[in-house]
Amino acid sequence: DGGITQSPKYLFRKEGQNVTLSCEQNLNHDAMYWYRQDPGQGLRLIYYSQIVNDFQKGDIAEGYSVSREKKESFPLTVTSAQKNPTAFYLCASSIKVRDYEQYFGPGTRLTVT
Amino acid sequence: QKEVEQNSGPLSVPEGAIASLNCTYSDRVSQSFFWYRQYSGKSPELIMSIYSNGDKEDGRFTAQLNKASQYVSLLIRDSQPSDSATYLCAVNGANDYKLSFGAGTTVTVRA
Repeated sequence: DGGITQSPKYLFRKEGQNVTLSCEQNLNHDAMYWYRQDPGQGLRLIYYSQIVNDFQKGDIAEGYSVSREKKESFPLTVTSAQKNPTAFYLCASSIKVRDYEQYFGPGTRLTVT
Repeated sequence: QKEVEQNSGPLSVPEGAIASLNCTYSDRVSQSFFWYRQYSGKSPELIMSIYSNGDKEDGRFTAQLNKASQYVSLLIRDSQPSDSATYLCAVNGANDYKLSFGAGTTVTVRA
C-alpha cells in the first residue's frame, strides 16, 4: 500500500527538549511538506522540500529544522526555541512541488509541558 | 485580510439536504483550488480539486469556481451523517509553491 506514515501518533515532551517527528512516504513523490495545525485555525506551512538535499522555509519556520537526505524521508525537529510547540503536525507530499495535489499523513499530536 | 476565508460555521443540515460551503481568496492570480475533508482528530483528505472556471462534479460533491469573483464553493448533495466533518478550502498562488488554507467550516448532518 502506498502512502505516508508519521510516527509517533502522540508525543509528550518536557519544555526545553528537542523532539524529532518522523515522516516517510512510498509514493515516489519529489515534494514533501510540514504543516502545523492549531485548534480553529487552518494549516500553516513550516518547511517544504522540492527534492533531496533541498528544503525551503515556509511561513512559520522559526524554532524548527528539517533534513531531506532521502527521497522517502523528511523528518522535522521541533527545537527548544519554538515558543509554543504544542500542536498537531501534518506531513504531506505531492508528485512535484508544482503538482499541487498534496496528500497528508495521519499526523503527530505533540504536547509539550 | 486573510488569504483564504471560509464561511464561519458550524453548518447544520438535515440528512438528504444540500450543504453549501463557500470560500473566497485574495490572490487574484491563484491557479489551483482544493477542498479537503477532515474528520475530528484525523488528517485532511483531498476530496476535490478544480482549476478552471465552472463546475466540477464527483459523486455527491460539486466544486464551483469563479475566478473573476475570487470565489470557490463546495456543494454536498444528499448529505449523509458520514459527511459530518470540517471542510478546508486551499488555494495555491501562481508564483509560489505553498497552499494557503482557510480555517475550515464544520458541517454537521443531523439524522
